[in-house]
Amino acid sequence: DAKTTQPPSMDCAEGRAANLPCNHSTISGNEYVYWYRQIHSQGPQYIIHGLKNNETNEMASLIITEDRKSSTLILPHATLRDTAVYYCIVRPYNFNKFYFGSGTKLNVKP
Amino acid sequence: EAQVTQNPRYLITVTGKKLTVTCSQNMNHEYMSWYRQDPGLGLRQIYYSMNVEVTDKGDVPEGYKVSRKEKRNFPLILESPSPNQTSLYFCASVGTVHSMNTEAFFGQGTRLTVV
Repeated sequence: DAKTTQPPSMDCAEGRAANLPCNHSTISGNEYVYWYRQIHSQGPQYIIHGLKNNETNEMASLIITEDRKSSTLILPHATLRDTAVYYCIVRPYNFNKFYFGSGTKLNVKP
Repeated sequence: EAQVTQNPRYLITVTGKKLTVTCSQNMNHEYMSWYRQDPGLGLRQIYYSMNVEVTDKGDVPEGYKVSRKEKRNFPLILESPSPNQTSLYFCASVGTVHSMNTEAFFGQGTRLTVV
């Protein structure tokens, strides 16, 4: 049940902003968009989530288009420690599972 | 500190020898689940629990059992492990079952090898 589409990999220079896109064209009105990341084989780490407004926290910003069919995660100043697989997840209403998909492998380079 | 704790972190076992991977959370969360992660297949849900004594199958439940006798613990049981259960396992918990506005917390993972 692919609910989101992400590019398989992206490169970013250290210190630059990393912009990770996600398409979720079948999202329902009450479904949230979540972003997680997984560094090496550690447990997925929560980054941010939103419904329809743009959100910002200490880690990142989330920009959701007005039609809610896509979103962008922004890491404003990427560091080498941000190298990870980033997952965009649409939270299903029945709440039984998080569909992680394949994610985007972000490579932050010096 | 909010935590999901899995044990052990690494385990090598032999085919057919029963094992249990423990998962404990300190956030009084209702919802807990188990995932396995395999190369090229992403994270797949094994079992989940909406509350104490309420469990249900996820996408890949064959060969696994779970129990939820108390809110904080959700052990994963492999009665007769086989090599195809060699994988990286994650436990997760979420606060409120019917709230859409809560995040999931994941454990640090258990790397299981069955020989």
